[in-house]
Amino acid sequence: SQTIHQWPATLVQPVGSPLSLECTVEGTSNPNLYWYRQAAGRGLQLLFYSVGIGQISSEVPQNLSASRPQDRQFILSSKKLLLSDSGFYLCAWRDRPYGYTFGSGTRLTVV
Amino acid sequence: GQQVMQIPQYQHVQEGEDFTTYCNSSTTLSNIQWYKQRPGGHPVFLIQLVKSGEVKKQKRLTFQFGEAKKNSSLHITATQTTDVGTYFCAATNYGQNFVFGPGTRLSVLP
Repeated sequence: SQTIHQWPATLVQPVGSPLSLECTVEGTSNPNLYWYRQAAGRGLQLLFYSVGIGQISSEVPQNLSASRPQDRQFILSSKKLLLSDSGFYLCAWRDRPYGYTFGSGTRLTVV
Repeated sequence: GQQVMQIPQYQHVQEGEDFTTYCNSSTTLSNIQWYKQRPGGHPVFLIQLVKSGEVKKQKRLTFQFGEAKKNSSLHITATQTTDVGTYFCAATNYGQNFVFGPGTRLSVLP
């Protein structure tokens, strides 16, 4: 069966520090992978998606970037975090024609 | 761009009462999905609707896709405390990425 791993679960980082969040998927090949952000009490905002290795599409211009160095690995990064980067970051993959499967998420607090 | 709205934003019900959340789009949709997110958890896929007027049931949950494919509803019959969480709809129009609604947060009082 397919599983999605995301870590860390929580993260507290100072303003201006770098960020690296990793997501890996097991049990599938060439998945479509997504990074979402959820502000407290809000909906899900699509940040990046990838249909294959090295292929990244950005939905919202911001202080973040994404990379897909391997088929089942998706990384979210920032060189310098802002206070506004705080939120709940969720990695997901979609097994068409079904719904998205989300990872357990990373709660990022920028202080 | 496509906008997805959900009402109500919050709903407090007594255990045993029914609950309905509505999802509305500014454009015609090809697919709509529903997710549930428990407090502190991540969204979990519930169902996908693709046909005009489609109705699907999962135990006490009834999902409906509007005839014009611009709206959808999720109805829970006789709520239980396990139904607590935020219900999101997500909508797309033929091949575009799904857009998530802001969600309806349900609390159930025992």
